[in-house]
Order: sequence, then structure tokens, then C-alpha cells
Amino acid sequence: NAGVTQTPKFQVLKTGQSMTLQCAQDMNHNSMYWYRQDPGMGLRLIYYSASEGTTDKGEVPNGYNVSRLNKREFSLRLESAAPSQTSVYFCASSPRGGDYGYTFGSGTRLTVV
Amino acid sequence: QKEVEQDPGPLSVPEGAIVSLNCTYSNSAFQYFMWYRQYSRKGPELLMYTYSSGNKEDGRFTAQVDKSSKYISLFIRDSQPSDSATYLCAMMDQAGTALIFGKGTTLSVSS
Repeated sequence: NAGVTQTPKFQVLKTGQSMTLQCAQDMNHNSMYWYRQDPGMGLRLIYYSASEGTTDKGEVPNGYNVSRLNKREFSLRLESAAPSQTSVYFCASSPRGGDYGYTFGSGTRLTVV
Repeated sequence: QKEVEQDPGPLSVPEGAIVSLNCTYSNSAFQYFMWYRQYSRKGPELLMYTYSSGNKEDGRFTAQVDKSSKYISLFIRDSQPSDSATYLCAMMDQAGTALIFGKGTTLSVSS
């Protein structure tokens, strides 16, 4: 049982390049989330999808877009990467709404130079 | 004032010590309280879950919620080197759609 799978695990981008972070869950969860984790800042919500077909902004959405491709997959896109987007990105899923807790993926370490 | 405050530490204790980790919060509507453990270069994993007030115990771990003081705690008894990790508190209100996390406390248990 894989849980939440994130790809890639590591990525280095040049300023202005674009990329898509992929996330897939195999637990039949309804809700999916993207967080970024920075030293001293904790986990901050970028976007979330409460159910298939819906997406909403979180605390720090600027510079990102998301797509809930189907119930299993939720991708995060950086259209024009900036050094401020250097971070560790975590995808998470929950049966609904987060009140039973999340299952997290192992993260994507992104460096923008 | 941030909604959830957590002392980042670091906290260093000897093996066998009792550890107390804490978070304070400002939103009195929070009803769901959780603790996550995150090992270095890994994703957070759910450790303890509490709904509303009270205590919950699971092995060496005890979670407490004091809603009157807006204060939650995680106690680790007989701490082990394998408990060395960052501990994140998280919470949400009844109508919420996403968890709000504290910044995490880094714990180091030495043998």
C-alpha cells in the first residue's frame, strides 16, 4: 500500500523555468492538499482540493497553480519559478476535510537558482 | 498573533526522560487537535489525535487538550533516541477545510 506518492523527490530549476509536481494517493481519499515547509515557517498551505472537481487557495497561493486531475491525482505547477519558491513541498490527503488527520507524501525538495 | 504558536526548541534530553511539548492557540473554535512526528528528510506522520477536550494515551505518548486555556500538550514517557524528530501540532475547527500547523519543536534524545 503506497499511500501518497510524490514525484520528483528532488529538483533544481533555474529562475523563470516551469515545472509540475505530481501527487497521487491510493487510499480513495476525497481531500488533497499542497503544503510548503520552510525553516522557521512551518507548514503553510498553498492550495487544497476538498473533493474531486474543486480547488481552493490556501495561505500562500501566489506563483502556483493546481489541477485535481481525478480523485487520485493532484498536481502543483510553478509557471515561472523564483528563488523564493525554494522549499520542501508536501502533498497530503485525507478522507474528508482533515478532521481525521492527513497522510503525507515524502516530499519534493525544490531549489530555484 | 499567529493562530498556533509552538516553541521551536531545540529540546535536548537524556534517554529515559519525560518530555513535554506544547502549543497554544487563539481560535476558540478549534475542535480537532493532532500531533505529527517528522523525521529528518521525511514527511510528517500522524502520532496522536484528540477531538475536543481531554486526554488520550497511546503507549508512551499522552496528548492533553485544555480548551479553557487554549493549550495542548504532548508527553513522551521513557524517551528513546528513536523519538528524536520534529513534533508538529495541528488543529482545525468544525467548519474548517484544512489543518493549521504549528512551526514544530525539534527534539533530540541522547543515549
